[in-house]
Formats: sequence, structure tokens, C-alpha cells
Amino acid sequence: DTGVSQDPRHKITKRGQNVTFRCDPISEHNRLYWYRQTLGQGPEFLTYFQNEAQLEKSRLLSDRFSAERPKGSFSTLEIQRTEQGDSAMYLCASSLSNRTLYGYTFGSGTRLTVV
Amino acid sequence: GEDVEQSLFLSVREGDSSVINCTYTDSSSTYLYWYKQEPGAGLQLLTYIFSNMDMKQDQRLTVLLNKKDKHLSLRIADTQTGDSAIYFCAESGYSSASKIIFGSGTRLSIRP
Repeated sequence: DTGVSQDPRHKITKRGQNVTFRCDPISEHNRLYWYRQTLGQGPEFLTYFQNEAQLEKSRLLSDRFSAERPKGSFSTLEIQRTEQGDSAMYLCASSLSNRTLYGYTFGSGTRLTVV
Repeated sequence: GEDVEQSLFLSVREGDSSVINCTYTDSSSTYLYWYKQEPGAGLQLLTYIFSNMDMKQDQRLTVLLNKKDKHLSLRIADTQTGDSAIYFCAESGYSSASKIIFGSGTRLSIRP
């Protein structure tokens, strides 16, 4: 297992288009997290899953954002009708629920640029 | 709500020690973390400390926790050019449930 994988690494899209990102967590990790990081800031929590259940969503996650983890393995994050303010690095992380407080393993992120 | 604050920049000479400081507001913080982010990369967990500890050492890294003042520091001994990165302080506790709350990061630059 090579860690948390995110695809694509970079995405440039026109304002108003929809985009979808994928995250493949470490295979035995049952928790999966999405964070957003804008330039010069730390990662901000968006949402997390335990297995296939989405257990918490941040107020940052507007109704244009949706995340799924249909079989409790990989996850997708979709942004509809993208806006320039959505430009950011989207980070995925995973952990085991009984070891979550020992820290997460992050992927390299998907950098989204909305033009 | 929870908040984690750090200074934005630190510049040190190669071979000197670097000390990166952080303050947090959540008195129920249970675990505190230091993550490292190199350009274009995700975050790498460097170390963590439980709130019932006041110090943790791991090779060149020393973490000090002052729970009374809600102050956390990371000392990197014998700083090398490969230590150039952004360092994030983060916390997790009962108020934040399962999520880790990050500071804005301290950019460490190394002078020859």
C-alpha cells in the first residue's frame, strides 16, 4: 500500500463547470477526511466518513459540494457550478477510527484552479 | 470555538536550532500535533503529544507543552536545508470531536 492517493493532482476549470475529485485511502483505514487549504492558510475541515457513513460536515461545505464514499473505500468530492473562490488545494486524509487521535495520513492533494 | 495560532515566518541559520511556537484555545484539547508540508506536497505528521505530557523528544525534534498557558513548541536541533517547509500546529479534542484543527502554519527558511 502506497498511502493515500488523490486524483487528479491538478485541475483547471472554467467558472460554472462541475468538477469531481477522487481519494483512495490506505486500504485498512475506515475513516476518511476531506480538507481544503487556501494559499497561506492551514487546512480547513470539510467533512469525514466512517466507512460509508458521512458523519460530519462543516459549515464551509455549501450545497454545491457533495462527498460520497459508496462502499466505504474510495471517496469522491464533487463541486457543482464552481466559483473562483473554490480555487484551493483539496486534501484527503485517512485513519483507523481507534487510532484517529494519533493523527491522520494525508494525500498529496488536488489543486483546483477556477478561471 | 477552537483556534490555533502560529507566527507566519521563521528564519534560522543552518546548524542552529529552530523553535516554532503555537498557542491554542481549546482547553479540552487531548492531542496536539506538528505536521510538515513541503512545496506542492501533502502534510506529513512529524510528531504528536498527549495533553497529559509536557515534553516529547524524537531524534532532532523536541515538543514542549505548557497546558496551563495552552502553548506548544517544536524545537528542531541542528536545522538543515531539508527542514525548509511550512510547519503546522494542530489539535484534536472533545470540542472538535474527530477532526483535527490546524493553525495557519509557520514557514521555516534556512540561511546558509
